[in-house]
Amino acid sequence: GESVGLHLPTLSVQEGDNSIINCAYSNSASDYFIWYKQESGKGPQFIIDIRSNMDKRQGQRVTVLLNKTVKHLSLQIAATQPGDSAVYFCAESPMDSSYKLIFGSGTRLLVRP
Amino acid sequence: GAVVSQHPSWVICKSGTSVKIECRSLDFQATTMFWYRQFPKQSLMLMATSNEGSKATYEQGVEKDKFLINHASLTLSTLTVTSAHPEDSSFYICSAPVGRTDTQYFGPGTRLTVL
Repeated sequence: GESVGLHLPTLSVQEGDNSIINCAYSNSASDYFIWYKQESGKGPQFIIDIRSNMDKRQGQRVTVLLNKTVKHLSLQIAATQPGDSAVYFCAESPMDSSYKLIFGSGTRLLVRP
Repeated sequence: GAVVSQHPSWVICKSGTSVKIECRSLDFQATTMFWYRQFPKQSLMLMATSNEGSKATYEQGVEKDKFLINHASLTLSTLTVTSAHPEDSSFYICSAPVGRTDTQYFGPGTRLTVL
């Protein structure tokens, strides 16, 4: 079936460095993409989203890039902090899916002090 | 952002009993809510779509008689795990889209342990 997947299950970065988390999606009908952060024992927390008519969107310390040609999504975190340590999920919403989200497998980000 | 709450945050029950989990949108109305299940070190899997005033829509492979969903009001959806068994032990999370946007906010999750 169609799915959203990630290239790296675990990413370890030095505090202060930039982090890049990648995601591949396969549903060409998806028109909305979201990144969520999930800390242990908690629900996912919205980070940033992007629609398919854009290729880049910036937030506070985060940037999401969308490459529709290769069906690739990435999350960039600038100046990574210990509080950024968590599991990050990308999710896609296929067009006309009534807000359903399909989640990727997740990447664990570990920030070294 | 919008706030979604869940109750209880964790529950332990005996095999064969039923457990009800509540999902509430605290500062907005939600005609649609979603229920997910997450096993340890895995991603979220959509179980069903809860629709206010109508029947829930279940994803393929999810037993509707096992996981009863009731969307009684615009701010409350409940998930009842009936005749729970140890394999039902999981982290159950609900979400709701805000208004007519795609942005979904998630509850804090409910940890269910079936002995």
